[in-house]
Formats: sequence, C-alpha cells, structure tokens
Amino acid sequence: AQKITQTQPGMFVQEKEAVTLDCTYDTSDPSYGLFWYKQPSSGEMIFLIYQGSYDQQNATEGRYSLNFQKARKSANLVISASQLGDSAMYFCAMREPGAGSYQLTFGKGTKLSVIP
Amino acid sequence: EAQVTQNPRYLITVTGKKLTVTCSQNMNHEYMSWYRQDPGLGLRQIYYSMNVEVTDKGDVPEGYKVSRKEKRNFPLILESPSPNQTSLYFCASSLTRNEQFFGPGTRLTVL
Repeated sequence: AQKITQTQPGMFVQEKEAVTLDCTYDTSDPSYGLFWYKQPSSGEMIFLIYQGSYDQQNATEGRYSLNFQKARKSANLVISASQLGDSAMYFCAMREPGAGSYQLTFGKGTKLSVIP
Repeated sequence: EAQVTQNPRYLITVTGKKLTVTCSQNMNHEYMSWYRQDPGLGLRQIYYSMNVEVTDKGDVPEGYKVSRKEKRNFPLILESPSPNQTSLYFCASSLTRNEQFFGPGTRLTVL
C-alpha cells in the first residue's frame, strides 16, 4: 500500500513569515500525483496545490508552493507570508498509481497555528 | 458556482435506523467518491464511482452502500448504522486525475 508521512503533528509560525510543512511518500510506481489540502476548523477540505510526478517544475499557486524532491520522495508545502487565516490542518495526499486510478491516500496531517 | 454539495451537514441518529447522505456536483464530473475522516486515522476512501452505474469499493466499504444513477448524484447509504460509523464524511468529485474537489462534509453521530 502506498504511504504518506507527515512527521509534524503541529507547527507554529509567526504572522508574515514563511513556513514549510513536510511530506514524504512511498511508492515504487513512476507515475503518481501529490496533493495538498487545507482543513480549517469549520471542517471543509480545500484543495491547495497539485504536483505530478513527471512535472518538470515545482507547482505554485499564489502563496503556496510545493518543494518537490523526487529522489528523496518528498513533497513539502511552503506557505509564504503566513496569515492568521492560514491556521488550519494541512493534509498531504498521493493519488494511487495505476491507469485510471483517482483514489487518494492521505497523511495524518499537520496542524498549523499562525501567531500574531 | 461550481461546487460539491452534501446533505445533511449534521446528523444524529440511532443504531439501526437507515439513513442516506446525499452528494451532488454541478461540474459534470465523471469521478465521484466518498471518504470518512476519523481522528488519528485520517481520510479513508469508502466507495468510488468512475461513471454512471459504475461503482467500486474503496478501503473501508463495510456497512455502506452507494449508487450512481445520474452523473451528478452519488448518495451514501447506511442500511443499519452502528456507533463505529460515527465520523465526518466527505464526498469528492473530479474530472481529471490532477484535481479532486471535496464537499463541505457531513458530521454523523450514531448513538
């Protein structure tokens, strides 16, 4: 089974600073996709960013960027200029390999707290 | 507005009383799925559907049923709910493999 590991149960960051949330994955398949989701206290799952295993460049979406290091099997989320509204749970997920597979396997999450 | 909707958002019920959680998307997505989220276990897939009349089991299908009679709707059915099905449930849909949009979630408590 594929596996996603998020080693930081909780993190604190000062407002306006950058923060990196770690994610490592385990797969032997060359084709896979990596996702990051944000879950605020209200409970919804908000899609942030996607990185395909064959993508040549690191994905970016506004203040979010994905530091993709394929050889190390890591896909860390970088949030620049943290805001109070960034306080939430963050989940890394990997799309199961296999042609046509859409299933996502999620990590346990990291709780980010932004300090004013 | 493109979205995935779920109803109800909150539900408290008793053991054995059949219930249905509805899921609807207005994005013409072919793929839809159900996940449950439990503390310490993260999100786990229950069932998924690749298209109308095509459904398959995820990682934790026991105690659940689904149907896909129309492209936009993918209801989750608990024929005889039990307390271990108390959880936060998410419906998700996607058109391509590099995206997956989640509904707002349904908090279910089974007494």
